[in-house]
Amino acid sequence: GNSVTQMEGPVTLSEEAFLTINCTYTATGYPSLFWYVQYPGEGLQLLLKATKADDKGSNKGFEATYRKETTSFHLEKGSVQVSDSAVYFCARANYGGSQGNLIFGKGTKLSVKP
Amino acid sequence: DTGVSQDPRHKITKRGQNVTFRCDPISEHNRLYWYRQTLGQGPEFLTYFQNEAQLEKSRLLSDRFSAERPKGSFSTLEIQRTEQGDSAMYLCASSGRDSNQPQHFGDGTRLSIL
Repeated sequence: GNSVTQMEGPVTLSEEAFLTINCTYTATGYPSLFWYVQYPGEGLQLLLKATKADDKGSNKGFEATYRKETTSFHLEKGSVQVSDSAVYFCARANYGGSQGNLIFGKGTKLSVKP
Repeated sequence: DTGVSQDPRHKITKRGQNVTFRCDPISEHNRLYWYRQTLGQGPEFLTYFQNEAQLEKSRLLSDRFSAERPKGSFSTLEIQRTEQGDSAMYLCASSGRDSNQPQHFGDGTRLSIL
């Protein structure tokens, strides 16, 4: 089927720790991949995206690389801050490129302690 | 760019009542999407408009749900004869003409059925 699977949370880290949130997808073809972030009480915000294999999306110190061979798009950050506490969603476009609706993973809640 | 606007932010109603939500997309965005998000889950696609045409509806959109986008600008989502299971966050997103443009989300309307 066509789906997105991401690691279950919650994930609790200390400030300045290294973050990895795993995400794998199934799809026919090579859809665009996205990470969205949802801060408490707010809507979804696009964090980063990648449109083709080996692309690296990056924003605010977060990075994710589109790995076709492992069908993965893991999110990483070298040093997390308390302000990064949020729910992170991995998503892929339903059709080629970024077209059509998005298919989301279940989300991973991140809590960063000072 | 004022972002995607949704109204109301919260709606509490009794089971069996009808409710209507409104979404104002980013101006000049011709694509508009509705999603539903329940607690602990990622958003699930409901329906999609390109301009005023409703191009796709998911199987989640039962016959009690109807969405419109009469002039290709704002959209409404109506739920008739609400049920307990309709309690969720209803999210609207929009994107531009370029098929590689990402979707931008509103803050959502939280529906609670008593």
